[in-house]
Amino acid sequence: EVQLVESGGGLGKPGGSLRLSCAASGFTFSSYSMNWVRQAPGKGLEWVSSISSSSSYIYYADSVKGRFTISRDNPKNSLYLQMNSLRAEDTAVYYCARDSWLDSWGQGTLVTVSS
Amino acid sequence: DIQMTQSPSSLSASVGDRVTITCRASQGIRNDLGWYQQKPGKAPKRLIYAASSLQSGVPSRFSGSGSGTEFTLTISSLQPEDFATYYCLQHYSYPYTFGQGTKLEIK
Repeated sequence: EVQLVESGGGLGKPGGSLRLSCAASGFTFSSYSMNWVRQAPGKGLEWVSSISSSSSYIYYADSVKGRFTISRDNPKNSLYLQMNSLRAEDTAVYYCARDSWLDSWGQGTLVTVSS
Repeated sequence: DIQMTQSPSSLSASVGDRVTITCRASQGIRNDLGWYQQKPGKAPKRLIYAASSLQSGVPSRFSGSGSGTEFTLTISSLQPEDFATYYCLQHYSYPYTFGQGTKLEIK
């Protein structure tokens, strides 16, 4: 069974940093591209970033480009999102999702940016 | 960027009704579209992939159709557990984009 478990959310200050993690199990992690998607409170879904299976290809939404960095560690079956220069509008639940088809999702981790 | 226009934004219906939700893409996306269901406080769950293929384990009352720029999600006979918010997603090109969502409520 595919399992994706996000962690690392919490309270961050404007201008500060947070690092999210996504632990994967139940499939061959190194064979799949991975994604981060977020959802601000009471709002719709927003794609944030994608990384190919070997990290050769990386994509970002304009809203986070230059501030967020996606990465992965295949031997550790883990996906990461380094979030720098945080803004209030980054407040959201962050989900990791598998594959370019976003077929399986984790339960999400809440990031709140506030002073 | 490809814009996904989803309609309606909300819908009131009764158990047993047939409902249809539409997504229009601002340019052709072949059949690179998925439909997701989200219940409050939960992660989205994929219902349909490749525009018309039913995800394993999803009831057959859900169906998808379309290709190119026009897509539909149909629920043939609404059940109480179907009241949720539905989103389409295009994964044809980056940046991936979601529709605005359709909140399906009980009449």
